[in-house]
Amino acid sequence: SQQGEEDPQALSIQEGENATMNCSYKTSINNLQWYRQNSGRGLVHLILIRSNEREKHSGRLRVTLDTSKKSSSLLITASRAADTASYFCATEGDSGYSTLTFGKGTMLLVSP
Amino acid sequence: NAGVTQTPKFQVLKTGQSMTLQCAQDMNHEYMSWYRQDPGMGLRLIHYSVGAGITDQGEVPNGYNVSRSTTEDFPLRLLSAAPSQTSVYFCASSLQGGNYGYTFGSGTRLTVV
Repeated sequence: SQQGEEDPQALSIQEGENATMNCSYKTSINNLQWYRQNSGRGLVHLILIRSNEREKHSGRLRVTLDTSKKSSSLLITASRAADTASYFCATEGDSGYSTLTFGKGTMLLVSP
Repeated sequence: NAGVTQTPKFQVLKTGQSMTLQCAQDMNHEYMSWYRQDPGMGLRLIHYSVGAGITDQGEVPNGYNVSRSTTEDFPLRLLSAAPSQTSVYFCASSLQGGNYGYTFGSGTRLTVV
């Protein structure tokens, strides 16, 4: 079953605006990761946040993690048309072997 | 480095046929996984491996077999294709021990008619 659920399912913004996507999950985790998928392509790893971290930055990306609420958010600042893609959160559990469980994704459309 | 290479990129099978989807990585990653992606379903884990000779089932393993004889290769076998296996298949790899991101291949788009 899906571990993460992204919200919203789709997001449409103008270039230069910020985009915020949310992810909720169900079980305890070792880390949470965000991936981008351009149409018809493979997934690209964007950022990983460990369970003992609350916030992480990478370029125009900012990720927060609230383990008490089992939720995370991805903020893309100053969006560009090239950011148009689907964004997935994935969680790695804290028991057993390392596998990722993905949510269903948020489709982001950035218009020029 | 080529990263994760998947072949073929596209395949059409008839119901009941078998085939192998190839996956190879040149990053010396211990962890490798196969996912399928269906519209509205996100990615679901089929099988995974934590090293050569070690494999295990994921969320949707029925109808698929895997083996891991080398660190580099992790083929996925469809035993008797069914229309329900029409999907896009992704192979991914990662360093051992968790807390590392996965590198994905570009996918194989499979249609079973």
